[in-house]
Amino acid sequence: DAKTTQPTSMDCAEGRAANLPCNHSTISGNEYVYWYRQIHSQGPQYIIHGLKNNETNEMASLIITEDRKSSTLILPHATLRDTAVYYCIVTRDHNYGQNFVFGPGTRLSVLP
Amino acid sequence: KAGVTQTPRYLIKTRGQQVTLSCSPISGHRSVSWYQQTPGQGLQFLFEYFSETQRNKGNFPGRFSGRQFSNSRSEMNVSTLELGDSALYLCASSGRIGPMDTQYFGPGTRLTVL
Repeated sequence: DAKTTQPTSMDCAEGRAANLPCNHSTISGNEYVYWYRQIHSQGPQYIIHGLKNNETNEMASLIITEDRKSSTLILPHATLRDTAVYYCIVTRDHNYGQNFVFGPGTRLSVLP
Repeated sequence: KAGVTQTPRYLIKTRGQQVTLSCSPISGHRSVSWYQQTPGQGLQFLFEYFSETQRNKGNFPGRFSGRQFSNSRSEMNVSTLELGDSALYLCASSGRIGPMDTQYFGPGTRLTVL
């Protein structure tokens, strides 16, 4: 699975959009981009995933560049409860089971 | 649907003891994965079970083992505990969203080894 690079930390003002970047320049054609977040000492929470098209759900939007070498997770109106570590993971469908490789992620602080 | 549940939530053991952690997946999910999270190493994959068979294994010593039952519930066991085994142990069950499996994590079991 391709490796990802994320900024160590970011700040965002409450109510503003939080844009979290992820670089995955070695991504293969059959690899998906997943985003999870982990609020302090809780289990990671699934946010969204996509292959090449932009995706949106009730939590966030995922924008994947046309060359698929990078992506951005957008939280449209960040709240204090969005303060967490955000993980970008690139993986493909392994027929022997999924094994997510988590990097250090981005620590997002939403400030009042 | 109820989420992934893990028991116990907190555990304190001493070196040399063994411990068993339990995970109940989301109803209908047949795959269960286990991860260890420590401040120094981050989230690391331990192993994955599907239909009572271990399909995938991370790079951990044999002291770490697991099993899955016919109802998809899973347990992991750590024998001869070491101080470095103190960690948050996370279980995740997998279900399909579109063409891919997506993992849903439980709240974790916080193990402290004294």
